[in-house]
Formats: sequence, structure tokens, C-alpha cells
Amino acid sequence: GQNIDQPTEMTATEGAIVQINCTYQTSGFNGLFWYQQHAGEAPTFLSYNVLDGLEEKGRFSSFLSRSKGYSYLLLKELQMKDSASYLCAIMDSNYQLIWGAGTKLIIKP
Amino acid sequence: GAVVSQHPSRVICKSGTSVKIECRSLDFQATTMFWYRQFPKQSLMLMATSNEGSKATYEQGVEKDKFLINHASLTLSTLTVTSAHPEDSSFYICSAPSGREQETQYFGPGTRLLVL
Repeated sequence: GQNIDQPTEMTATEGAIVQINCTYQTSGFNGLFWYQQHAGEAPTFLSYNVLDGLEEKGRFSSFLSRSKGYSYLLLKELQMKDSASYLCAIMDSNYQLIWGAGTKLIIKP
Repeated sequence: GAVVSQHPSRVICKSGTSVKIECRSLDFQATTMFWYRQFPKQSLMLMATSNEGSKATYEQGVEKDKFLINHASLTLSTLTVTSAHPEDSSFYICSAPSGREQETQYFGPGTRLLVL
């Protein structure tokens, strides 16, 4: 079957670094997305990985290992506004999106 | 966990025809559902909020007469793209909130529309 796992909730301190993991088992792979979603708003695109390795965009980085079915989103220099849900989604061989349940990130001062 | 399904998963149609996309919540009731459009490798753009028993709320710039939304029951919302044109070709995704305070969003797998 198809499955995406990510932690339900994480807590971190303002100014620190946090890594949100996502593991997956899907029928085919056409890329992995990370989205940020604040309550009541549409998700915001953060990153798209289709090749192995680390992609850095400012304070956010995303890593992919296709052989391990594993990705992580790394957030540095955490700010209070980073408190949100972070969604991992895989595009499978049929170009369908399979969504993780999301990780609620709580930032404390 | 809660599941949201969409049908069809992909559709190819001729320009000028209408296409209906269904969004169903499979094991929970949803008084509200959201419709998004995704551009390649980009954000989901919220198109409209579907409300059971009342009119949908459309985001600015989204033509309500072109994208007809019907929330017929607590488990079904439909998006009809009327008189489709090639520029309407995209990936359409729905989501439904669940939980006591509607705090969790469940997303459908998406419908890929190609208008020839």
C-alpha cells in the first residue's frame, strides 16, 4: 500500500533549528513536496525534490533520499511565525498526490 | 485516518465542453470543503470554499460562473469547469477540514485536467 509518515507534533524554541522527517512508501515517485499551512489558510509551497540531495532556500532546506524513501525539512533560526503545520506530499507514478497527515510545529519563546 | 477522494483522477476533454470533478469525504462529514488549483511545482491556489447547503465563496479573480461548485451533501462537493479551455488545464485538488475545531485538513489526491 501507499503510506506517508511524519510526526504529528513537534515543539522547538525560537532561534533554534528543527528537522521534520517524512518517510514514504508509494507506487512510483515523481517528486516530493513540502508545504507550510497556517490555520485557516491555503498551503504555501516550500520545496520540491525529485533528485537525491539537499536543496537550500534561505532558512529552509529540504533533503531527499529516494533509496531510503526519506525526506526531511530543516528549518533554521526559527521564528514565531514558523508555527504552522508542515505537510509532506508525494506525487506517485500516476501523478496523484499522496498527502502526509502533517506535522504541527509549535515554536516557544 | 480520514480520507478524501476525488473522481476522476484524470480527464481529457475537448475545448468548450464541461467537466465535473467530485470530492468526497469517505469517513467523516464535511460542512466545508476547499477547492485548489496547483500550478507545476508551485503552491496550491485556493479557488473557492464550498459550503454545504449554501453558496460557495470564491476567491478574488476566480470566475464563479466558470467554476460551478455544488456542495450537495455533507460528504460530497463537486466542481464543474464549464466551457473548458486549454488554459484551464491544471491539477485540481480538494480538501476538507475535520476535528472538533476543524483543525486538521485532509487533502484529496487531485484531478488532472487536460483540455485539448
